[in-house]
Amino acid sequence: QLQLVESGGGVVQPGRSLRLSCAASGLTFSKSGMHWVRQAPGKGLEWVTFISYDGSSQSYTDSVKGRFTISRDNSKNTLFLQMNSLTAEDTAIYYCARDRGTKYFDNWGQGTLVTVSS
Amino acid sequence: EIVLTQSPATLSLSPGERATLSCRASQSVSSSLAWYQQKPGQAPRLLIYDASNRATGIPARFSGSGSGTDFTLTISSLESEDFAVYYCQQRSNWLSLTFGQGTRLEIK
Repeated sequence: QLQLVESGGGVVQPGRSLRLSCAASGLTFSKSGMHWVRQAPGKGLEWVTFISYDGSSQSYTDSVKGRFTISRDNSKNTLFLQMNSLTAEDTAIYYCARDRGTKYFDNWGQGTLVTVSS
Repeated sequence: EIVLTQSPATLSLSPGERATLSCRASQSVSSSLAWYQQKPGQAPRLLIYDASNRATGIPARFSGSGSGTDFTLTISSLESEDFAVYYCQQRSNWLSLTFGQGTRLEIK
């Protein structure tokens, strides 16, 4: 059964860093494009970043460019999101999502909450 | 950036009624549009892709239509589990994927 499990969320001070992980099982991870999508409390969905199946290509929404880095370890079926210089506007539930080459989000994790607060 | 505008913001209907949700794009996205359902405390679920194709396991009461800039999600006869928030998403500009702001479907 396909499963995506995020971890690494928590409370962090403004300007600090946090690294999220997404462990994948039940799918051929090394053949799947992967995304991070976030949702601020009580708000809608916002796409954050994408990485191709082999890690050779990435894209980011403008508000996180230069601060966030997406990466993956196909040997460990794990996706990462390194978040630096965090601000209150980054407070959200962060979901990892699988893309079967369509740029639609076919499967989602349960999300991990990141709260940026002093 | 392609902006997706969903209407109405909130739709109040009764079980058994037909629901029609709209999504309008700021420029043509061809048929590169999907619909998602999100229930409270849950992750979103893909319902429709490429404007009109149901995802695996999605009931036939859900249908999508449209192309270019105007799209519709129709639920033919509402069941209690259908009351949720619905989002559209475009992949026409795959370097900048965007969602609509959502339509809340609530029980009247």
